[in-house]
Amino acid sequence: GGIITQTPKFLIGQEGQKLTLKCQQNFNHDTMYWYRQDSGKGLRLIYYSITENDLQKGDLSEGYDASREKKSSFSLTVTSAQKNEMAVFLCASSIGESSYEQYFGPGTRLTVL
Amino acid sequence: AQKVTQTQTSISVMEKTTVTMDCVYETQDSSYFLFWYKQTASGEIVFLIRQDSYKKENATVGHYSLNFQKPKSSIGLIITATQIEDSAVYFCAMEYQGGRALIFGTGTTVSVSP
Repeated sequence: GGIITQTPKFLIGQEGQKLTLKCQQNFNHDTMYWYRQDSGKGLRLIYYSITENDLQKGDLSEGYDASREKKSSFSLTVTSAQKNEMAVFLCASSIGESSYEQYFGPGTRLTVL
Repeated sequence: AQKVTQTQTSISVMEKTTVTMDCVYETQDSSYFLFWYKQTASGEIVFLIRQDSYKKENATVGHYSLNFQKPKSSIGLIITATQIEDSAVYFCAMEYQGGRALIFGTGTTVSVSP
């Protein structure tokens, strides 16, 4: 078995601030994902990476940057935090392409003051 | 463009009964995978079951089964003999981005009462 760790669990920032969320997995999975879940809503894809140093934009990539410097880690940066993007950010990983099940981390809850 | 729609916002059932929830999807792909995920009250998201569009047989895992109707672009989830711990939000999802990512529906909240 394996685990996905997301840090921090809670992230509070000021409007306009640059904020970074981190994700680590020890499944040795190739593909990693970042999703945003707004309160009471579904998951929307921000970025994904199919291997180290690869980055692919999802539908919600504007306002975000991502980094995959190691196979086991995937970071997401909110370039200028806005109040309307307060949400839970979920990291996931899978062994390969999307036909395989995804394993999710516990999430980071972002609050923007 | 691909799209996944779950029209049922919430469903309430009694324990030990069967619950069915709907999902319709749009895709131009001839071959694709469809998924159901469960999000518990704690926020944990887990994979439940998967359907290969090429397979006519409905997938079954434990007390979860699918009602796959390809001509209607529909993939329903059926939970039999429901338990209190089945209370959760259930998300339908489909491959997109050339089969490298998933697109999710908005979820159906299931409440199971004793």
